Amino acid sequence: EPEVTQTPSHQVTQMGQEVILRCVPISNHLYFYWYRQILGQKVEFLVSFYNNEISEKSEIFDDQFSVERPDGSNFTLKIRSTKLEDSAMYFCASSIEDSYYNEQFFGPGTRLTVL
Amino acid sequence: KNQVEQSPQSLIILEGKNCTLQCNYTVSPFSNLRWYKQDTGRGPVSLTIMTFSENTKSNGRYTATLDADTKQSSLHITASQLSDSASYICVVRGSGTYKYIFGTGTRLKVLA
Repeated sequence: EPEVTQTPSHQVTQMGQEVILRCVPISNHLYFYWYRQILGQKVEFLVSFYNNEISEKSEIFDDQFSVERPDGSNFTLKIRSTKLEDSAMYFCASSIEDSYYNEQFFGPGTRLTVL
Repeated sequence: KNQVEQSPQSLIILEGKNCTLQCNYTVSPFSNLRWYKQDTGRGPVSLTIMTFSENTKSNGRYTATLDADTKQSSLHITASQLSDSASYICVVRGSGTYKYIFGTGTRLKVLA
């Protein structure tokens, strides 16, 4: 069964460093999403992406964040200058369409630790 | 403010028993409501998706209900199994937005 994959599973970085989190969505999906979950808290929407552009972003997704689909398979989240509060689990998700019944498939997540 | 509240925060039941989890939301205008199961350290997995016109939706031993008038939903788990131990998250999407609003989840523990 096709699935969303994410790499790395765990990333440790120093405050102020740039990190790139990678995701490979399901191959025929057209809509892509990033979410984050701070330890012990709820999942929060960051951004949605369709047709090579951001379709919506949350207040969390400020100028230090960017997303890209550099080729036909990868979908990346870049954090330019990491802060301690960026430590969280980051989930990528994809869906084939954006109708009422579209199911979002989530990847296993990347745990980002900022020291 | 658009919010999704869930209760209880945590629940412990014995294997084979039934349980019901609650979700209240204030998201408006409303598009659809989803229930997800999230195992520790993993991504959420979709259980049910309902729009405002649907009152109930089943997926095996999981049955979700929706009352769009009172903005309440429930997830009923029948004949619980040890593998049901997980967090169950209610997620609501408003109309005209891609943004999904997640509840804090109910952590369910099923004991043998």
